[in-house]
Amino acid sequence: GAGVSQSPSNKVTEKGKDVELRCDPISGHTALYWYRQSLGQGLEFLIYFQGNSAPDKSGLPSDRFSAERTGGSVSTLTIQRTQQEDSAVYLCASSLDRQYYNEQFFGPGTRLTVL
Amino acid sequence: QKEVEQDPGPLSVPEGAIVSLNCTYSNSAFQYFMWYRQYSRKGPELLMYTYSSGNKEDGRFTAQVDKSSKYISLFIRDSQPSDSATYLCAMNGGSYIPTFGRGTSLIVHP
Repeated sequence: GAGVSQSPSNKVTEKGKDVELRCDPISGHTALYWYRQSLGQGLEFLIYFQGNSAPDKSGLPSDRFSAERTGGSVSTLTIQRTQQEDSAVYLCASSLDRQYYNEQFFGPGTRLTVL
Repeated sequence: QKEVEQDPGPLSVPEGAIVSLNCTYSNSAFQYFMWYRQYSRKGPELLMYTYSSGNKEDGRFTAQVDKSSKYISLFIRDSQPSDSATYLCAMNGGSYIPTFGRGTSLIVHP
C-alpha cells in the first residue's frame, strides 16, 4: 500500500519568501506529526495533529511557522518570511492512533534550502 | 543536558562485525524505547520497539533496555554493508511525542 508522501521533495527559496510543504499520510492514520531534521541533529518535533486538531504545537520555533490539517488527512506546514536557519529536512509521520506507543511511519521528507 | 544522548559517530566497522549502538536518557518516565533506521535521503523506519526493561531479539538485531541505568542498546550481529545507515533511538512515556536521539551514523565496509 501507499506510504506517507511529501511534496515537494526539494525546495529552494529566497530569504523572506513563504513556503508550503505538504504531507499525505497513510489512509486511516489519525495521528500526524511534523519534525525538522538539521544536518547532524536529531529529529526536532514541531507539531502533532489528532484528526484535524493540533493538541500540541509546542515545537513550532516561531510564529512564522504554522500548520493545518484538513479532512483528517492532508497536512500543510507553512513557513512565512523564511530565514536561512530554516534550511533543513522537514519530515512528516503518521500513526494509527494516539496511544503512548504507536509506530510512526515517516515520509521521505522535504529538503528546504533558504538562500 | 539533552533528555536523550546519542553519539553521532560515525562508527566504521568491517563486514561481519558485531555492532553496538547506545543511548542514555535522563527522563525516568520513559517506558517505550524504539530504534529507527534512516538511509541517506530517506525517512526513518522503525526497526525495533521495546516496552520497559529487558531484551528483544529480531533476527540479527537485539535491543536491550536497562532502566536502572537509563541506558539502551541496539546490537547488530554479522553486520552487512546494507546495514550502513543512521540509527536513531527514540523513547516516550506520558506523552504522545517521542524524544529522538541525534542518531549514530554506521558504516559497514566490505
